[in-house]
Amino acid sequence: EPEVTQTPSHQVTQMGQEVILRCVPISNHLYFYWYRQILGQKVEFLVSFYNNEISEKSEIFDDQFSVERPDGSNFTLKIRSTKLEDSAMYFCASSEGGHEQFFGPGTRLTVL
Amino acid sequence: RKEVEQDPGPFNVPEGATVAFNCTYSNSASQSFFWYRQDCRKEPKLLMSVYSSGNEDGRFTAQLNRASQYISLLIRDSKLSDSATYLCVVLPSGGYNKLIFGAGTRLAVHP
Repeated sequence: EPEVTQTPSHQVTQMGQEVILRCVPISNHLYFYWYRQILGQKVEFLVSFYNNEISEKSEIFDDQFSVERPDGSNFTLKIRSTKLEDSAMYFCASSEGGHEQFFGPGTRLTVL
Repeated sequence: RKEVEQDPGPFNVPEGATVAFNCTYSNSASQSFFWYRQDCRKEPKLLMSVYSSGNEDGRFTAQLNRASQYISLLIRDSKLSDSATYLCVVLPSGGYNKLIFGAGTRLAVHP
């Protein structure tokens, strides 16, 4: 069964450093998303991406965040200058175009 | 008022029990509804979509009441493996498939 994959599974970084989280969505899907979940809190939407551009973003997704689809398979989330409060689980999701979204296993980001 | 509200639980039930979770949402124009399950420190996994006519998948039954803005999930014959957090999820109208998650209801099934 096709699935969304994410790398790395855990990333530890120093405050102020840049990180890139990587995702490979399900191959025939057209819509891609990033969500995050701070420990003990609910899953929150960050950004959606369709047709090589951002289609919607949340208030959390400020200028420190960016997304890219550098090739036909990868979808990345970059945080330019990490803050302590960026520590969270980051989930990538993809959708064929319907409303059902399928999530990857997540990257746990720890900012020290 | 929270966009999606759930009883956090936990619900502690014995194997074989029937358990029901409820959820309310604030945006009356929301268009699609889902139940996801999330195991500890894992990704949300789609359990089922929720349709106005109600739908069933094995031991799981979901119901939607648009007038009351209320969604439910019924689990029959609970198994130990059902222990997880159940997330009520809403797709608001006008968004580009942005999902709004509830905080989840924790279920613990014991022998």
